[in-house]
Amino acid sequence: SQKIEQNSEALNIQEGKTATLTCNYTNYSPAYLQWYRQDPGRGPVFLLLIRENEKEKRKERLKVTFDTTLKQSLFHITASQPADSATYLCAPVYSSASKIIFGSGTRLSIRP
Amino acid sequence: GAGVSQSPRYKVTKRGQDVALRCDPISGHVSLYWYRQALGQGPEFLTYFNYEAQQDKSGLPNDRFSAERPEGSISTLTIQRTEQRDSAMYRCASSISTLGNSPLHFGNGTRLTVT
Repeated sequence: SQKIEQNSEALNIQEGKTATLTCNYTNYSPAYLQWYRQDPGRGPVFLLLIRENEKEKRKERLKVTFDTTLKQSLFHITASQPADSATYLCAPVYSSASKIIFGSGTRLSIRP
Repeated sequence: GAGVSQSPRYKVTKRGQDVALRCDPISGHVSLYWYRQALGQGPEFLTYFNYEAQQDKSGLPNDRFSAERPEGSISTLTIQRTEQRDSAMYRCASSISTLGNSPLHFGNGTRLTVT
């Protein structure tokens, strides 16, 4: 079965730096990969989606890359701010007919 | 407009009782998912529906868990003969499309505690 791996340890970085989070998957590449943000006590909120045939997707300070050779997606937050502190989840989607499953998430802390 | 609504927000029940958790998706959303989430973990897939049809229930832990969405709108997740290990946050999410490129919108969840 497919496995999704995200950095299990929390990531702590200084405000203003770029945060990079990793999502690795096994076996075949998903058709899409979704990224979500989750704040404590709240449900996940959708941020970005990247398709298998896209190398990179941007939205304001967010950038997602998709490397099918490495079986990896990277999620970058540039000019990070304390308000970016949250848990970030990736969710590969293997086909239009398949369920959406989530990685375990990476907790990001941005210190002022 | 209104988001995904889950009720109750909190449920405390005694071991052995049955519980029913309700999810009211965003109006017009055709896909509906149920997840269970432990503290510090990502959402764990339970089951999902496209319209009223249950597409995949492979994540339901055992036969005490069941879900339905009879009219393709509101869904109920039922846990029979609850056990302490069922205690968790149960989250529902809906999507406007059945396609995998459509984002999920989550409710605030139901916190279930089995004593």
